[in-house]
Amino acid sequence: GQQVMQIPQYQHVQEGEDFTTYCNSSTTLSNIQWYKQRPGGHPVFLIQLVKSGEVKKQKRLTFQFGEAKKNSSLHITATQTTDVGTYFCAGSFGNEKLTFGTGTRLTIIP
Amino acid sequence: GAGVSQSPRYKVAKRGQDVALRCDPISGHVSLFWYQQALGQGPEFLTYFQNEAQLDKSGLPSDRFFAERPEGSVSTLKIQRTQQEDSAVYLCASSLEVASYEQYFGPGTRLTVT
Repeated sequence: GQQVMQIPQYQHVQEGEDFTTYCNSSTTLSNIQWYKQRPGGHPVFLIQLVKSGEVKKQKRLTFQFGEAKKNSSLHITATQTTDVGTYFCAGSFGNEKLTFGTGTRLTIIP
Repeated sequence: GAGVSQSPRYKVAKRGQDVALRCDPISGHVSLFWYQQALGQGPEFLTYFQNEAQLDKSGLPSDRFFAERPEGSVSTLKIQRTQQEDSAVYLCASSLEVASYEQYFGPGTRLTVT
């Protein structure tokens, strides 16, 4: 079936360091979304990428969609304690259904 | 309402019992989705409604799972004869548009089957 793989599973960083999570699909995605889930919370939408090679920025967060629309990344510059949580990518393969990645759990060491 | 609401927030069921989980989407949202999230995993798609029509139920694990949205707003996910492997958080999400669009998630219902 259509799967979305995400690495790493866990990431521990010192506050102020950068963080990156990567998402890969074996088949072309029509678009990809990113969500953040705080511990004990529910997923919250961050952004959607649609175009090949698209790059979007939200303050310290940078999102990229690969040229082949099979991979994506989220990069956080200078992490803060408020960045703690699990980051999920979620891909669409041309219909309404979203296939979520396994998530990357980010913890910050103060 | 301000967001998606779900009830109950927590449900403990004995194996074999039936349960019903409710979702109140954001008013006016056309699309409604149900997901199952196991501990430490990403949400897994169960089913999707566009207004009252159930357009995709490919993620429902078995015929014990049934979902409905009869008037195109509130939705209910019913699980019959619950099993221990049904223990998970059940998330509901709604979105404004028909096409793939940002989804607004509810707080979820944590189901524990003993």
